Amino acid sequence: AQKVTQAQTEISVVEKEDVTLDCVYETRDTTYYLFWYKQPPSGELVFLIRRNSFDEQNEISGRYSWNFQKSTSSFNFTITASQVVDSAVYFCALSELDSNYQLIWGAGTKLIIKP
Amino acid sequence: GAGVSQSPSNKVTEKGKDVELRCDPISGHTALYWYRQSLGQGLEFLIYFQGNSAPDKSGLPSDRFSAERTGGSVSTLTIQRTQQEDSAVYLCASSLGEFRNWYQETQYFGPGTRLLVL
Repeated sequence: AQKVTQAQTEISVVEKEDVTLDCVYETRDTTYYLFWYKQPPSGELVFLIRRNSFDEQNEISGRYSWNFQKSTSSFNFTITASQVVDSAVYFCALSELDSNYQLIWGAGTKLIIKP
Repeated sequence: GAGVSQSPSNKVTEKGKDVELRCDPISGHTALYWYRQSLGQGLEFLIYFQGNSAPDKSGLPSDRFSAERTGGSVSTLTIQRTQQEDSAVYLCASSLGEFRNWYQETQYFGPGTRLLVL
């Protein structure tokens, strides 16, 4: 079965702390794609990153970094020196050929950054 | 450039009425997707268009829901005889269609239409 698990329902940290959002996925395919999206209180889903299953290099973009490990089927997202503007719900998603045209979404992690 | 736009932003309707939700994808994007997000919930896939064709409509929750896309651009999601359980945010996304397979694409989302059925 295709599944994406974001075990952390809600995380609350104080501004400037580092925070890691976990994402674990299940798939039988060897070719698949993983995504992270941010949904701020305004409601619009903002694309953050896309990673294919053959590229295990970690990626850094400013204060954001992603750690993709196929051995543990995880694609974790770290925010360094968090800011209040990072407060949002973050979704991890999986796509593969057999998922019938739909992204398989995690339940989301609500991140609260306190000033 | 302009992102995905959706209209109306908010819609309040009475139970039993029909509603139409509109999505304008990013210019040049050939693929278009509709999702539904109920309050505090994840995303529920509704339908995918490649050009004007929808290969699979099984994600639509009931026969009260229909969607079409014309000219490979604008899409309309229609809900007939609305029910209170239809209340949700309806999100539209589009992707460029640059890859051979849909699952390789990055989907870019619009701001959504918040539908409230009284």
